[in-house]
Amino acid sequence: NAGVTQTPKFQVLKTGQSMTLQCAQDMNHEYMSWYRQDPGMGLRLIHYSVGAGITDQGEVPNGYNVSRSTTEDFPLRLLSAAPSQTSVYFCASSYRGGVADTQYFGPGTRLTVL
Amino acid sequence: QQQVKQSPQSLIVQKGGISIINCAYENTAFDYFPWYQQFPGKGPALLIAIRPDVSEKKEGRFTISFNKSAKQFSLHIMDSQPGDSATYFCASPPAPTGNQFYFGTGTSLTVIP
Repeated sequence: NAGVTQTPKFQVLKTGQSMTLQCAQDMNHEYMSWYRQDPGMGLRLIHYSVGAGITDQGEVPNGYNVSRSTTEDFPLRLLSAAPSQTSVYFCASSYRGGVADTQYFGPGTRLTVL
Repeated sequence: QQQVKQSPQSLIVQKGGISIINCAYENTAFDYFPWYQQFPGKGPALLIAIRPDVSEKKEGRFTISFNKSAKQFSLHIMDSQPGDSATYFCASPPAPTGNQFYFGTGTSLTVIP
């Protein structure tokens, strides 16, 4: 099993550009989520999904869109990139998002917005 | 909204010493308390977790202590090694009204040889 994979590893954008961060998991997990990690801020939840076709907002959803058309994939779209979105982005998945379910994280995407 | 508050922000320990990281929570409905470990350039990974029906859980050199009355849980790393140098996050289980996991702000641990 590859676990949780993310592409690209690094990305540089100009302000106003759009892009999609890809996330895929091969563990048949129902729950998937996106976090951003900034120095001193920890991991902050952007959006999450409890199954195909179901998504919801997390703590910091503004400027980001998600969709979940399959169990395996959960892409994160930046609509119009801003310097404040410079961060490291992590995708995670867990079996059902239950209380004791382990979250498995991808390797991250480091995004710089100029 | 900060569901869990973690301290200290950074920690430097000599090899062989004890590293202690604390996490405070507010929601008494929480019943699962995990710690995640993150090495530079990698995603976080589950290290150890505890349920509040026990006050302590030990896995190798890593121990979680749980204090229900103080609403705190701590990670102790005994005989700290340079390979333990990483960022550690405490986390809360999903909120009762949703499916959101919350993480602490992280503790950067450096173990000096």
